[in-house]
Amino acid sequence: NAGVTQTPKFQVLKTGQSMTLQCAQDMNHNSMYWYRQDPGMGLRLIYYSASEGTTDKGEVPNGYNVSRLNKREFSLRLESAAPSQTSVYFCASSEMDRAGDQPQHFGDGTRLSIL
Amino acid sequence: RKEVEQDPGPFNVPEGATVAFNCTYSNSASQSFFWYRQDCRKEPKLLMSVYSSGNEDGRFTAQLNRASQYISLLIRDSKLSDSATYLCVVNMKTAGNKLTFGGGTRVLVKP
Repeated sequence: NAGVTQTPKFQVLKTGQSMTLQCAQDMNHNSMYWYRQDPGMGLRLIYYSASEGTTDKGEVPNGYNVSRLNKREFSLRLESAAPSQTSVYFCASSEMDRAGDQPQHFGDGTRLSIL
Repeated sequence: RKEVEQDPGPFNVPEGATVAFNCTYSNSASQSFFWYRQDCRKEPKLLMSVYSSGNEDGRFTAQLNRASQYISLLIRDSKLSDSATYLCVVNMKTAGNKLTFGGGTRVLVKP
């Protein structure tokens, strides 16, 4: 009963390095999301994918790219990491619901530090 | 002004006491509301949805006041295990049905 699985759980990068955060869900959800959480800021949406084959920018997309590889997987890429991207990253998924009543289910996060 | 605002706390609560806190939202067109719970260094987890008529789940009661644009969460008979950060979440019905999170209210239940 995995739910939403994120890898890696921890990562330290040097400024300018690139990496991809992986996310997979086994709940057959249509919609997937990437958030970052910083102290005192709450969760902020980076990118989302309302359904397979579509992606859209959220509140803070600069410096990131995403790929909705298939219905299960949604990856987040940092092309050239910057210290300002030090954060905890959460992936989430939900049923596709036009009424907006479906809650989101979260993975347990990736703690990323950029030196 | 933030779209969803919460008192960050912490609310220090004696075990067995009642605690209540609010969350205000700025967009009057907001349609869906949730309370999530987040334990330290863990992922957010849905606590309850908030319905127009208000709803109760055990010791937890959520209310929605559309006229004043706030939602509330009340915890009765607080347990030590209720210590967490409570996130107010609003769906503002923008494209994609994206959720907007408040910064959270920290609750500390003490013996």
